[in-house]
Formats: sequence, structure tokens, C-alpha cells
Amino acid sequence: AQRVTQPEKLLSVFKGAPVELKCNYSYSGSPELFWYVQYSRQRLQLLLRHISRESIKGFTADLNKGETSFHLKKPFAQEEDSAMYYCALSVSGAGSYQLTFGKGTKLSVIP
Amino acid sequence: DVKVTQSSRYLVKRTGEKVFLECVQDMDHENMFWYRQDPGLGLRLIYFSYDVKMKEKGDIPEGYSVSREKKERFSLILESASTNQTSMYLCASSLSNPPEQFFGPGTRLTVL
Repeated sequence: AQRVTQPEKLLSVFKGAPVELKCNYSYSGSPELFWYVQYSRQRLQLLLRHISRESIKGFTADLNKGETSFHLKKPFAQEEDSAMYYCALSVSGAGSYQLTFGKGTKLSVIP
Repeated sequence: DVKVTQSSRYLVKRTGEKVFLECVQDMDHENMFWYRQDPGLGLRLIYFSYDVKMKEKGDIPEGYSVSREKKERFSLILESASTNQTSMYLCASSLSNPPEQFFGPGTRLTVL
């Protein structure tokens, strides 16, 4: 069965410091991975997906199939980056695609 | 912009009550999902539906049922609410491809 692991429940960094949120997955098929973000009192929203290889709000994530990882990185953290971040893996089955989510990492950026 | 709306932001119910949570999306998505979100446990899939009148169990379906009579609406039903169902409930919808899901604002349910 597929699994997504986010090893850190909480990550605190100082403003301006680099950020790396870790995500590892296990899946026998060809993975499609996403990062979702939830700011305080807002709905969960897509941050980026590996297929598009884009940078959103300065964040990037590279799929490493050898290490089965999809870590989220940003070179300089901003206070507005404080939020809950979820890594998700798309799997197909039962007529549709589903997302398997990690347990999330709460990022706190210290001013 | 995809809009996913949920009928209530906050709900307080008593143990044993029947609870309905409703979700509506306006982008003609075929797939709809119900999750519960708990601290330290992330998002766990309760049920999903890939077509009208079709439903599939997710990872934690016990104590829940769903209904999808129209494409835009997906209801989550707690037949007899229990205190361990106190949680944040999130609805989402998606196309089949791409599988990106769009989420509603959530319903925080408290069962007393």
C-alpha cells in the first residue's frame, strides 16, 4: 500500500533562513506528488505539483525517485510562510484518482 | 475559480444524533471526497465518489455513510454521532485528470 511520511511534526526556522520540509513516499507505481498548504483559518490549497516543476511563492520541490523523496525547499523563509504543509501522493484506483496525505508539518517562521 | 462550499463552518451535536454535512462544488467535477483532519494524524479519507450514485470507502469509513444524488453535491452522514467523531471535516472535489483536489473551508464538528 502507498504511504507518505513527513518526519517532522513541527519545524521552526528564523526569517531569512533556508527551509526544507521533508517528504518520503512508498508506492509501487509511477508517482505523482503534490504539496498542499493550509494557512491559519484558510482552506487547504495546492502549493505545487511535481509534474509542473514550477516555483510557487519561492518554494520548489524535486522528485527524487531513487530516494523516494519530494522535499519542499525555500532559500529564504518569510513570516507569511508560517502554515501547515502536507505532502500528498496521487494513486489510481476504483475509478478515480485519490490522494494519500502525510500527517503534515507545521512550519513556524520566527521573526 | 473552483468553488467548494460546505453547509456549516461550526456544528455542535449531541451523542446519538444524526448529522448531515453537505458539500457543493460548482466546477462539474466528477470526483468528490470527504476527509477528517485531526492534529497529528493529518487528513484521512472517509469516503469518495467518482460519479453520481457511486461511492467507495476510504481508509476510515466506520460510523459514516455518504450520498451523492447529484453531481455537484456530496453529503456525509453520521447515523449516530459519537464523541470520537469530533473533528474537522473537509470536502474536496477533482477531475480525474489532473487529480488535483480543491478543498472546501471545512466544518468543525463537536459531538457532546
